[in-house]
Amino acid sequence: GAGVSQSPRYKVAKRGQDVALRCDPISGHVSLFWYQQALGQGPEFLTYFQNEAQLDKSGLPSDRFFAERPEGSVSTLKIQRTQQEDSAVYLCASTSKGTKRVLEQFFGPGTRLTVL
Amino acid sequence: TQLLEQSPQFLSIQEGENLTVYCNSSSVFSSLQWYRQEPGEGPVLLVTVVTGGEVKKLKRLTFQFGDARKDSSLHITAAQPGDTGLYLCAGDNTNAGKSTFGDGTTLTVKP
Repeated sequence: GAGVSQSPRYKVAKRGQDVALRCDPISGHVSLFWYQQALGQGPEFLTYFQNEAQLDKSGLPSDRFFAERPEGSVSTLKIQRTQQEDSAVYLCASTSKGTKRVLEQFFGPGTRLTVL
Repeated sequence: TQLLEQSPQFLSIQEGENLTVYCNSSSVFSSLQWYRQEPGEGPVLLVTVVTGGEVKKLKRLTFQFGDARKDSSLHITAAQPGDTGLYLCAGDNTNAGKSTFGDGTTLTVKP
């Protein structure tokens, strides 16, 4: 079966541009997570959805970051007016359970964002 | 904020050697997960440990959860080049409502 997919895999943006990163979770998975992973570090939590409801967005670093999951499946992470410090790998994960816990999360391959 | 410290940060060994990597915290976790991440890919779950003192084995990998559920170790026997990757631990605490990843140990196994 298909795993979690993310697109694009690589994105280069000029400083100040807006970007949109897409995540297709495993079909039927209830919970969806976005993480930011800087080079040489572990993933850092950004936000969490249960179905279409965004239950926790406490990890979003600024109001330039916005995430949505309008129909409870595909999710988009949008970054407005990108800055160089936004350069990182953005990981999406999903789990079949309606929980915010890390247990049994399945990760996508990530989108590597480079802001010039 | 619950922090997980992983050590060593980098480890380079020869094929056939044994190794242990550590994941430590001052906080108690309900459970702890170990993931392996290869370049250009997302983390892949290896194991979840739940009970203090628990030991789980996965082929050549042995995972242990500390008695106080604050720390964990991963021991690899007779490492192979295919074991190369970033090993991440993640602590889960239902009371805190948020899970935390460590910064990982980058393992390189040379043939």
